[in-house]
Amino acid sequence: NAGVMQNPRHLVRRRGQEARLRCSPMKGHSHVYWYRQLPEEGLKFMVYLQKENIIDESGMPKERFSAEFPKEGPSILRIQQVVRGDSAAYFCASSPNEVNTEAFFGQGTRLTVV
Amino acid sequence: LAKTTQPISMDSYEGQEVNITCSHNNIATNDYITWYQQFPSQGPRFIIQGYKTKVTNEVASLFIPADRKSSTLSLPRVSLSDTAVYYCLVAAAGGRSAAGNKLTFGGGTRVLVKP
Repeated sequence: NAGVMQNPRHLVRRRGQEARLRCSPMKGHSHVYWYRQLPEEGLKFMVYLQKENIIDESGMPKERFSAEFPKEGPSILRIQQVVRGDSAAYFCASSPNEVNTEAFFGQGTRLTVV
Repeated sequence: LAKTTQPISMDSYEGQEVNITCSHNNIATNDYITWYQQFPSQGPRFIIQGYKTKVTNEVASLFIPADRKSSTLSLPRVSLSDTAVYYCLVAAAGGRSAAGNKLTFGGGTRVLVKP
């Protein structure tokens, strides 16, 4: 059973471009969470999704950021018109149900905006 | 929303026992205490979870006093590979809570194991 798969592992974008981060949850998991981690800091919650639904997006910036988890395929975190401050590690986690106290994390995508 | 406080960093030596204490004075009745480990350039990994008293698994032990306002993660006989950041979290299991379903990470404790 493969773990949570994130791709790409590293992504470089120029200011103003779009970044698309993908997350495939563990098999059988229908709950996905996205977190952002700045260097030397803890993880900050961004959004919680179930299949085709956004459950909690209280940690998402109001502009330029969006997330989806379609019926088929991976969850996508999209950042439009990236700025240097978006440079961070973005982690995805999944759980089999809404009880996410034992969530399984991916290896992360490291976004660098140049 | 239960907030946790833990030491910023700890140094240890190979073979020693490392104990990290976390304070969570505002823990709610239905909150569990969960610890995650994060190595550089990797996602966090679940270590252990408990509600009260003591929990032990193949990796660590978790001690929780009766008032549940703190907890101590114990790593027995650490090795160099245990160098990581350890996060203490409180979150509801099995249902809704004021915090919803998101895990709230603090700054964690950076443990450095020296040879």
